[in-house]
Amino acid sequence: GAGVSQSPRYKVAKRGQDVALRCDPISGHVSLFWYQQALGQGPEFLTYFQNEAQLDKSGLPSDRFFAERPEGSVSTLKIQRTQQEDSAVYLCASSYNRGSEAFFGQGTRLTVV
Amino acid sequence: QKEVEQDPGPLSVPEGAIVSLNCTYSNSAFQYFMWYRQYSRKGPELLMYTYSSGNKEDGRFTAQVDKSSKYISLFIRDSQPSDSATYLCATRAGGTSYGKLTFGQGTILTVHP
Repeated sequence: GAGVSQSPRYKVAKRGQDVALRCDPISGHVSLFWYQQALGQGPEFLTYFQNEAQLDKSGLPSDRFFAERPEGSVSTLKIQRTQQEDSAVYLCASSYNRGSEAFFGQGTRLTVV
Repeated sequence: QKEVEQDPGPLSVPEGAIVSLNCTYSNSAFQYFMWYRQYSRKGPELLMYTYSSGNKEDGRFTAQVDKSSKYISLFIRDSQPSDSATYLCATRAGGTSYGKLTFGQGTILTVHP
């Protein structure tokens, strides 16, 4: 596609519910990143994939957060037992390779009620 | 204390004004500096990228880095209403992937006609 595509754009979850957020990177991009952006804050790094390998997950806030990219293309960020503090915009970015500019998607706005 | 500090504003200026946006950082490992623009409900888009201390100009935008004082700036000349957005400074350490960034909080800018 023309850009990074994320779905759904908006998600409302009840506290304790599991959610899955999808990212379709730009075709051919091998690097993929997830960020969390709380209201009024800058994005914060969560995790990074090079193809299907998750090379850095240092930003994942707890073991309730899990990301995968099994075939090196589409990625899913899963949050188990959602809490109110998980409410944020989740941004996905992709780049052609490790040394290229990363392009961001529009994000998924998650609201936990 | 956050590794990158940015005044959140908001900043409101008349059309045609010169805008100055600033960030400070604390980690000497940060070697690369970027400015992103984020429109409401959109993902960040890269505006400027610089490595060395000094100025870099691109049209109406000038990025300035002072590594000795750990201070980065973005100047916007002849500001336009279409420049109204949140401006995020971002940094990354040497040797890390281009997509693993540390962002400031963002400054909300409004340019009124």
